[in-house]
Amino acid sequence: DSGVTQTPKHLITATGQRVTLRCSPRSGDLSVYWYQQSLDQGLQFLIQYYNGEERAKGNILERFSAQQFPDLHSELNLSSLELGDSALYFCASSKAADLYEQYFGPGTRLTVT
Amino acid sequence: GQQLNQSPQSMFIQEGEDVSMNCTSSSIFNTWLWYKQDPGEGPVLLIALYKAGELTSNGRLTAQFGITRKDSFLNISASIPSDVGIYFCAGRGSSNTGKLIFGQGTTLQVKP
Repeated sequence: DSGVTQTPKHLITATGQRVTLRCSPRSGDLSVYWYQQSLDQGLQFLIQYYNGEERAKGNILERFSAQQFPDLHSELNLSSLELGDSALYFCASSKAADLYEQYFGPGTRLTVT
Repeated sequence: GQQLNQSPQSMFIQEGEDVSMNCTSSSIFNTWLWYKQDPGEGPVLLIALYKAGELTSNGRLTAQFGITRKDSFLNISASIPSDVGIYFCAGRGSSNTGKLIFGQGTTLQVKP
């Protein structure tokens, strides 16, 4: 158990819908990262937050957005969902923005039908 | 953008054998990490490397940060059935963020 929690574990929704994925980092970690894992693209970095502020952005679609709240939990919002958005979404956390040992949560499996 | 090439793509070995896998990049990385992922679960951090030439062990696992800073190696000695899984390398470039680039993974199967 990495100490990173993610909810829900599974999510099935229809195209065009909007969903919110939630992540709680390990106790004491200030930085949160979101990754997408699909069969054809592997693990892709989406976005990083540090202490509430956006720190780095990867290949995140405009339909996707994220935020980190004062209690340090983070949410990833996915809207206008398409079939191709079906994937595993992982949250990871680390103590600081420049400490690179990232600990991953169990993931949310999103299926868009 | 930066890419990592991880090889081999898959390995099928006998219990007790040693295993080697590696990652190479066309650009320099400042940090290398190795993760293991079991089906349906999140990647688990195995080893982190921060300096060129660094050699670090974690039990039967040993990883090295290549001196060119463009590659890294992971060795598993005396493999056991629970070593089965997908091993990923991940690298961080020159930015001061935590953005990691992941390799495509090496699937390891161990025959008892």
